[in-house]
Amino acid sequence: DAKTTQPTSMDCAEGRAANLPCNHSTISGNEYVYWYRQIHSQGPQYIIHGLKNNETNEMASLIITEDRKSSTLILPHATLRDTAVYYCIVRGNPNTNAGKSTFGDGTTLTVKP
Amino acid sequence: GAGVSQSPRYKVAKRGQDVALRCDPISGHVSLFWYQQALGQGPEFLTYFQNEAQLDKSGLPSDRFFAERPEGSVSTLKIQRTQQEDSAVYLCASSLAPGDYGYTFGSGTRLTVV
Repeated sequence: DAKTTQPTSMDCAEGRAANLPCNHSTISGNEYVYWYRQIHSQGPQYIIHGLKNNETNEMASLIITEDRKSSTLILPHATLRDTAVYYCIVRGNPNTNAGKSTFGDGTTLTVKP
Repeated sequence: GAGVSQSPRYKVAKRGQDVALRCDPISGHVSLFWYQQALGQGPEFLTYFQNEAQLDKSGLPSDRFFAERPEGSVSTLKIQRTQQEDSAVYLCASSLAPGDYGYTFGSGTRLTVV
């Protein structure tokens, strides 16, 4: 699985959009980008994933650059409950690679009132 | 159940003691994963089951670590002769099918070896 690089920490004001970047310059053509988050003392929670098109769900939006070497997770209106560690993961097609994900150390997002 | 359940929530073991950590995945979930998370770090893969078959155990750090899922539902992670470096949160995750895109994680078992 490709390696990802994320900033160690970020702050965001409550009610503002939180934009979390991730670099994955060695991503290969069949690898997906996934985002999880982990709130203190809980297990990671799946947020969203994508291959090359931008994706949106009820939690967030995922913007993937055209060359697929980086992506941004967007929380459109951050709340205090969004304070967590956010992990960007790259892994192969789950239909052919049902195994492990490599998490890295993630970005600690702190939403401030 | 509604989510992945892990027990115990906390475990303190003396160095050299054997421990067993339990994971109850979501009912009907085929895939089950174990991860180890050291303090301040991201989760690291240990092993993966598809039903009762252990398809990947490449992340188990030593032969003191053993995992099983004999009936394809509940799984147990066993650590023999625990060492201080085994202190970590052990996370279990499951997914409905191998092709599922997102796992559901439990809250983990925090193991402290003293």
